[in-house]
Amino acid sequence: QVLLVQSGGELKKPGASVKVSCKASGYTFTNYGITWVRQAPGQGLEWMGWINTNNGHTDYAPKFQGRVTINADTSTSTAYMDLRSLRSDDTALYFCARVISYCGGDCFGYWGQGTLVTVSS
Amino acid sequence: DIQMTQSPSSLSASVGDRVTITCQASQDIRNYLNWYQQKPGKAPKLLIYDASNLETGVPSRFSGNGSGTDFTFTISSLQPEDIGRYYCQQYENLPLTFGGGTEVEI
Repeated sequence: QVLLVQSGGELKKPGASVKVSCKASGYTFTNYGITWVRQAPGQGLEWMGWINTNNGHTDYAPKFQGRVTINADTSTSTAYMDLRSLRSDDTALYFCARVISYCGGDCFGYWGQGTLVTVSS
Repeated sequence: DIQMTQSPSSLSASVGDRVTITCQASQDIRNYLNWYQQKPGKAPKLLIYDASNLETGVPSRFSGNGSGTDFTFTISSLQPEDIGRYYCQQYENLPLTFGGGTEVEI
Protein backbone atom coordinates (compact mmCIF):
# COMPACT_ATOMS: atom_id res chain seq x y z
CA GLN A 1 0.00 0.00 0.00
CA VAL A 2 1.05 3.60 -0.54
CA LEU A 3 2.76 5.07 2.51
CA LEU A 4 4.29 8.48 3.11
CA VAL A 5 6.34 8.63 6.30
CA GLN A 6 7.64 11.98 7.48
CA SER A 7 10.50 12.89 9.76
CA GLY A 8 9.96 13.83 13.38
CA GLY A 9 9.09 17.14 14.97
CA GLU A 10 11.55 20.00 15.05
CA LEU A 11 12.18 22.93 17.38
CA LYS A 12 13.99 25.79 15.70
CA LYS A 13 15.02 29.31 16.60
CA PRO A 14 13.93 32.29 14.51
CA GLY A 15 16.20 32.76 11.51
CA ALA A 16 17.16 29.10 11.33
CA SER A 17 16.27 26.58 8.64
CA VAL A 18 14.39 23.31 8.81
CA LYS A 19 14.41 20.32 6.48
CA VAL A 20 11.50 17.89 6.60
CA SER A 21 11.64 14.54 4.82
CA CYS A 22 8.90 12.40 3.33
CA LYS A 23 9.78 8.80 2.50
CA ALA A 24 7.46 7.10 0.03
CA SER A 25 6.81 3.40 -0.37
CA GLY A 26 4.33 1.09 -2.04
CA TYR A 27 4.57 2.62 -5.51
CA THR A 28 7.06 3.79 -8.14
CA PHE A 29 8.31 7.07 -6.69
CA THR A 30 8.97 8.76 -10.01
CA ASN A 31 5.44 8.16 -11.28
CA TYR A 32 3.86 10.76 -8.98
CA GLY A 33 4.81 14.17 -7.70
CA ILE A 34 5.01 15.12 -4.04
CA THR A 35 3.23 18.18 -2.70
CA TRP A 36 3.77 20.03 0.59
CA VAL A 37 0.92 21.59 2.56
CA ARG A 38 1.12 23.25 5.96
CA GLN A 39 -1.33 24.11 8.71
CA ALA A 40 -0.65 26.66 11.42
CA PRO A 41 -2.25 25.99 14.82
CA GLY A 42 -6.00 26.49 14.60
CA GLN A 43 -5.75 27.62 10.97
CA GLY A 44 -6.57 26.22 7.54
CA LEU A 45 -4.55 24.36 4.93
CA GLU A 46 -1.93 26.17 2.87
CA TRP A 47 -0.27 24.82 -0.28
CA MET A 48 3.48 25.43 -0.31
CA GLY A 49 4.63 23.77 -3.52
CA TRP A 50 5.36 20.53 -5.27
CA ILE A 51 8.01 18.57 -7.10
CA ASN A 52 7.77 16.44 -10.20
CA THR A 53 9.83 13.50 -8.98
CA ASN A 54 10.43 12.31 -12.54
CA ASN A 55 12.23 15.41 -13.80
CA GLY A 56 12.80 17.51 -10.69
CA HIS A 57 10.60 20.41 -11.82
CA THR A 58 9.19 22.43 -8.93
CA ASP A 59 6.48 25.03 -8.43
CA TYR A 60 6.17 27.12 -5.28
CA ALA A 61 3.45 29.30 -3.84
CA PRO A 62 4.41 32.97 -4.29
CA LYS A 63 4.26 33.42 -0.51
CA PHE A 64 7.17 31.01 -0.04
CA GLN A 65 9.16 31.70 -3.21
CA GLY A 66 12.79 32.33 -2.32
CA ARG A 67 12.46 30.83 1.13
CA VAL A 68 11.51 27.23 0.35
CA THR A 69 13.22 24.49 -1.63
CA ILE A 70 11.64 21.15 -2.43
CA ASN A 71 13.80 18.37 -3.78
CA ALA A 72 13.76 14.61 -4.06
CA ASP A 73 16.20 11.72 -3.89
CA THR A 74 14.93 9.06 -6.26
CA SER A 75 17.47 6.52 -4.95
CA THR A 76 15.74 6.52 -1.57
CA SER A 77 12.23 7.55 -2.70
CA THR A 78 12.38 10.52 -0.37
CA ALA A 79 11.20 14.08 -0.88
CA TYR A 80 12.45 17.00 1.18
CA MET A 81 11.09 20.42 2.05
CA ASP A 82 13.63 22.99 3.20
CA LEU A 83 12.30 26.23 4.71
CA ARG A 84 14.76 29.02 5.56
CA SER A 85 14.72 32.21 7.62
CA LEU A 86 12.14 30.76 9.96
CA ARG A 87 9.75 33.07 11.82
CA SER A 88 7.36 32.38 14.64
CA ASP A 89 4.46 32.29 12.19
CA ASP A 90 6.10 29.33 10.43
CA THR A 91 5.12 27.24 13.45
CA ALA A 92 2.85 24.68 11.83
CA LEU A 93 2.13 21.06 11.01
CA TYR A 94 3.76 20.28 7.67
CA PHE A 95 2.32 17.53 5.46
CA CYS A 96 3.54 15.84 2.30
CA ALA A 97 0.91 14.42 -0.04
CA ARG A 98 0.46 12.44 -3.25
CA VAL A 99 -2.38 12.43 -5.73
CA ILE A 100 -4.66 9.55 -6.57
CA SER A 101 -4.17 8.13 -10.04
CA TYR A 102 -7.77 8.33 -11.20
CA CYS A 103 -8.39 12.02 -10.65
CA GLY A 104 -8.11 14.80 -13.20
CA GLY A 105 -5.23 16.42 -11.38
CA ASP A 106 -4.29 17.48 -7.87
CA CYS A 107 -6.53 15.29 -5.71
CA PHE A 108 -4.55 14.28 -2.67
CA GLY A 109 -5.55 10.83 -1.54
CA TYR A 110 -2.32 9.96 0.26
CA TRP A 111 -0.79 12.01 3.05
CA GLY A 112 2.11 11.79 5.42
CA GLN A 113 1.40 11.85 9.14
CA GLY A 114 2.57 15.44 9.48
CA THR A 115 5.67 17.00 11.02
CA LEU A 116 5.29 19.67 13.68
CA VAL A 117 7.79 22.47 13.26
CA THR A 118 7.92 24.88 16.18
CA VAL A 119 9.78 28.16 15.83
CA SER A 120 10.58 29.77 19.15
CA SER A 121 13.45 31.62 20.77
CA ASP B 1 -4.66 33.39 -6.91
CA ILE B 2 -8.09 31.79 -6.94
CA GLN B 3 -9.95 32.56 -3.72
CA MET B 4 -12.16 29.84 -2.27
CA THR B 5 -14.94 31.11 -0.03
CA GLN B 6 -16.43 28.41 2.11
CA SER B 7 -19.53 28.72 4.27
CA PRO B 8 -20.57 28.39 6.95
CA SER B 9 -17.39 28.51 9.00
CA SER B 10 -19.04 26.28 11.59
CA LEU B 11 -22.29 24.46 12.12
CA SER B 12 -23.95 22.35 14.75
CA ALA B 13 -26.43 19.67 13.78
CA SER B 14 -28.05 16.56 15.18
CA VAL B 15 -27.39 12.94 14.30
CA GLY B 16 -29.42 12.11 11.21
CA ASP B 17 -29.60 15.70 9.96
CA ARG B 18 -28.79 16.70 6.41
CA VAL B 19 -25.79 19.03 6.35
CA THR B 20 -24.73 21.22 3.43
CA ILE B 21 -21.54 23.22 2.99
CA THR B 22 -20.93 25.59 0.11
CA CYS B 23 -17.74 26.66 -1.61
CA GLN B 24 -17.50 29.54 -4.07
CA ALA B 25 -14.50 30.10 -6.32
CA SER B 26 -13.39 33.59 -7.38
CA GLN B 27 -13.22 32.41 -11.00
CA ASP B 28 -14.33 29.47 -13.13
CA ILE B 29 -12.60 26.29 -11.96
CA ARG B 30 -14.68 23.89 -14.07
CA ASN B 31 -15.03 20.76 -11.91
CA TYR B 32 -11.50 20.92 -10.46
CA LEU B 33 -12.73 20.88 -6.88
CA ASN B 34 -12.09 18.43 -4.05
CA TRP B 35 -13.51 18.02 -0.54
CA TYR B 36 -11.56 16.82 2.49
CA GLN B 37 -12.37 15.91 6.07
CA GLN B 38 -9.82 16.59 8.79
CA LYS B 39 -9.73 15.49 12.40
CA PRO B 40 -7.57 17.37 14.95
CA GLY B 41 -3.87 16.65 14.56
CA LYS B 42 -4.44 14.33 11.61
CA ALA B 43 -3.90 14.58 7.89
CA PRO B 44 -6.84 15.54 5.69
CA LYS B 45 -8.83 12.71 4.15
CA LEU B 46 -10.07 12.98 0.57
CA LEU B 47 -13.83 12.45 0.38
CA ILE B 48 -14.92 13.86 -2.98
CA TYR B 49 -12.78 14.54 -6.04
CA ASP B 50 -13.56 16.30 -9.31
CA ALA B 51 -16.53 17.97 -7.61
CA SER B 52 -18.82 14.95 -7.46
CA ASN B 53 -16.87 11.70 -7.43
CA LEU B 54 -16.90 9.70 -4.21
CA GLU B 55 -13.45 8.52 -3.20
CA THR B 56 -13.05 4.78 -2.75
CA GLY B 57 -14.17 3.57 0.66
CA VAL B 58 -16.00 6.77 1.58
CA PRO B 59 -19.60 6.26 2.79
CA SER B 60 -22.31 7.14 0.29
CA ARG B 61 -23.91 9.65 2.68
CA PHE B 62 -21.23 12.07 1.46
CA SER B 63 -21.78 13.76 -1.87
CA GLY B 64 -20.65 16.75 -3.88
CA ASN B 65 -22.09 18.83 -6.68
CA GLY B 66 -21.42 21.87 -8.79
CA SER B 67 -19.20 23.26 -11.51
CA GLY B 68 -17.81 26.61 -12.56
CA THR B 69 -17.76 28.78 -9.44
CA ASP B 70 -20.39 27.30 -7.11
CA PHE B 71 -20.11 23.98 -5.32
CA THR B 72 -21.92 22.14 -2.56
CA PHE B 73 -20.96 19.32 -0.25
CA THR B 74 -23.66 17.33 1.54
CA ILE B 75 -23.82 14.79 4.32
CA SER B 76 -27.24 13.22 3.86
CA SER B 77 -27.52 11.83 7.39
CA LEU B 78 -24.97 13.14 9.87
CA GLN B 79 -23.24 10.50 11.98
CA PRO B 80 -21.22 10.99 15.20
CA GLU B 81 -18.00 10.04 13.41
CA ASP B 82 -18.51 12.87 10.91
CA ILE B 83 -17.45 15.56 13.36
CA GLY B 84 -14.40 17.42 12.18
CA ARG B 85 -13.36 20.17 9.82
CA TYR B 86 -14.14 20.09 6.11
CA TYR B 87 -12.22 21.88 3.37
CA CYS B 88 -12.72 22.48 -0.32
CA GLN B 89 -9.67 22.75 -2.60
CA GLN B 90 -9.31 23.92 -6.20
CA TYR B 91 -6.75 22.71 -8.68
CA GLU B 92 -7.65 24.75 -11.76
CA ASN B 93 -4.59 26.95 -11.25
CA LEU B 94 -1.44 27.14 -9.20
CA PRO B 95 -1.12 28.07 -6.43
CA LEU B 96 -3.57 25.44 -5.24
CA THR B 97 -5.91 27.00 -2.73
CA PHE B 98 -8.22 25.75 -0.01
CA GLY B 99 -11.38 27.14 1.48
CA GLY B 100 -11.23 28.41 5.02
CA GLY B 101 -12.89 25.29 6.38
CA THR B 102 -16.16 24.37 8.05
CA GLU B 103 -16.21 22.97 11.57
CA VAL B 104 -19.00 20.39 11.93
CA GLU B 105 -20.22 19.67 15.44
CA ILE B 106 -22.99 17.57 16.91
